Amino acid sequence: GENVEQHPSTLSVQEGDSAVIKCTYSDSASNYFPWYKQELGKGPQLIIDIRSNVGEKKDQRIAVTLNKTAKHFSLHITETQPEDSAVYFCAASSDNDMRFGAGTRLTVKP
Amino acid sequence: DTAVSQTPKYLVTQMGNDKSIKCEQNLGHDTMYWYKQDSKKFLKIMFSYNNKELIINETVPNRFSPKSPDKAHLNLHINSLELGDSAVYFCASSWAGRGTEAFFGQGTRLTVV
Repeated sequence: GENVEQHPSTLSVQEGDSAVIKCTYSDSASNYFPWYKQELGKGPQLIIDIRSNVGEKKDQRIAVTLNKTAKHFSLHITETQPEDSAVYFCAASSDNDMRFGAGTRLTVKP
Repeated sequence: DTAVSQTPKYLVTQMGNDKSIKCEQNLGHDTMYWYKQDSKKFLKIMFSYNNKELIINETVPNRFSPKSPDKAHLNLHINSLELGDSAVYFCASSWAGRGTEAFFGQGTRLTVV
């Protein structure tokens, strides 16, 4: 089955700095790569996603990149704000199967 | 309207008991999942169902038995609860196939004492 590795496990940045979270996956059949944000006491919520026919996607301060050859994908958050503090999960999906990375706890210090 | 709803939100029970967690989605999705999130926040898939049919059973002890009476519901029954079953359990739903967002419920925090 799919195996998703995510790094770093914790990340602390100053407000206004950028944050980068990286993931790798093992199953070449995966072709959908969502990123989820989980706030305390809540379920994960989708913040951005990318499909395998696209190399990069941007939505305001958030961007994702995908290197399908290397099986790498990354989340970039620019101009971080304290409300960006949460746990972020990458995932790789194929055929009714979505596997998550171990999560990154992002702390944005004001 | 809540898209994916789970009940109960909190469940405290003694070892050896049997308990159920219910999940309902009103999004019309045909695929539903159960995930277990441990204290380290790791989200591990347990089961996925497509149109009431079991698709994934990820080496979960057979004390855990999912039941899907229809494609809008996926309930999780757990027999003979153990301390190690303590975790937050999330239900999710999506459209079948690849490339679709999964919507999560708010989670059920199960504590076995």
